[in-house]
Amino acid sequence: SQQGEEDPQALSIQEGENATMNCSYKTSINNLQWYRQNSGRGLVHLILIRSNEREKHSGRLRVTLDTSKKSSSLLITASRAADTASYFCATDDSSYKLIFGSGTRLLVRP
Amino acid sequence: NAGVTQTPKFQVLKTGQSMTLQCAQDMNHEYMSWYRQDPGMGLRLIHYSVGAGITDQGEVPNGYNVSRSTTEDFPLRLLSAAPSQTSVYFCASSYLGQGGSGANVLTFGAGSRLTVL
Repeated sequence: SQQGEEDPQALSIQEGENATMNCSYKTSINNLQWYRQNSGRGLVHLILIRSNEREKHSGRLRVTLDTSKKSSSLLITASRAADTASYFCATDDSSYKLIFGSGTRLLVRP
Repeated sequence: NAGVTQTPKFQVLKTGQSMTLQCAQDMNHEYMSWYRQDPGMGLRLIHYSVGAGITDQGEVPNGYNVSRSTTEDFPLRLLSAAPSQTSVYFCASSYLGQGGSGANVLTFGAGSRLTVL
């Protein structure tokens, strides 16, 4: 079974609004990552947060991690039409296996 | 620098046929892996390798074989294709520990779309 589950499955917002997507996982992790996938393309790494970190920023991205609740959130601020994509969280334990969630499809309307 | 190269991009097979999906990377990454992506299922790990001569099973290994004779190549073999193996397949690689603290930050190929009739 998959480790991570994203919520919501799909999200539609207006350009300029913020987009928040959540990820829940089941077992202890070393790190949690977020990836982006444009339609018909491979995934691209966005940001990594370690299990001992609570918040991380990269440009318009903000990631939080709550290990007590086994959950993470990805916030995209001031969204643009070009942010339209699917977003996946991925977790790894000490085995290096990276397990992905089912993804959130984000649509940013111009 | 080509990154991760997958071939073919598209393939149609008949049930029972065999084929190999090729994956090559030119970044000297130790870690390589294969995922399949199905609608609504996200990505599921099939097999992975932490170095030449070392492979291990992921979440959904049945029906697939892999080998890692060189650092650069990690082919995925379907011995007897079934309609349930219709999917998009992604190869991904990483330099182990790239993100620090043993983090595994993957570089993905563009994908191979396989249809089994």
